Amino acid sequence: GAGVSQSPSNKVTEKGKDVELRCDPISGHTALYWYRQSLGQGLEFLIYFQGNSAPDKSGLPSDRFSAERTGGSVSTLTIQRTQQEDSAVYLCASSLDNYEQYFGPGTRLTVT
Amino acid sequence: LAKTTQPISMDSYEGQEVNITCSHNNIATNDYITWYQQFPSQGPRFIIQGYKTKVTNEVASLFIPADRKSSTLSLPRVSLSDTAVYYCFVGGFQKLVFGTGTRLLVSP
Repeated sequence: GAGVSQSPSNKVTEKGKDVELRCDPISGHTALYWYRQSLGQGLEFLIYFQGNSAPDKSGLPSDRFSAERTGGSVSTLTIQRTQQEDSAVYLCASSLDNYEQYFGPGTRLTVT
Repeated sequence: LAKTTQPISMDSYEGQEVNITCSHNNIATNDYITWYQQFPSQGPRFIIQGYKTKVTNEVASLFIPADRKSSTLSLPRVSLSDTAVYYCFVGGFQKLVFGTGTRLLVSP
């Protein structure tokens, strides 16, 4: 079946604008994760969903970042008033058993 | 949170066995150990997972000592296509901590 998909694949935005990043998990996967990967860096956990609830939001770097998940499926990560330090690849992953995570291709965000 | 430590980089040659060790001193009782592989411009891909002792699949082996404070990913007979970053991941539901990753370079 289809894997995790993310859109857009690339996003260039001006500083101060809001952006929305979308993740479509694998059908039936109950857990969904967002990560951020800056150039040459490792994976930074942002937020995790189990169903539609987010028991762990500890990784969100500031209150400009928020995420929601509806219908236990699609998730949207929103970054308000983007800053240049927000430039990174944003990766989404989903999981059925909460251990093996399947990653999407990522959205490359560039804030100019 | 269980913090993990890995070597930053490793070099090898085609056909050799590569062992990458990850330290996770604060691993919790319920935590599993998972290794991922990441190629440039792609998301990480699952390689292997274990809880204790040894696990082997068609790609790699994972060795976990009794105290579970470390783990070693073993890649038999690497090829050029194994050049990638390898991440050790410890956790489950609410402990989602990736290591810094080990950049493996396989040369002819």
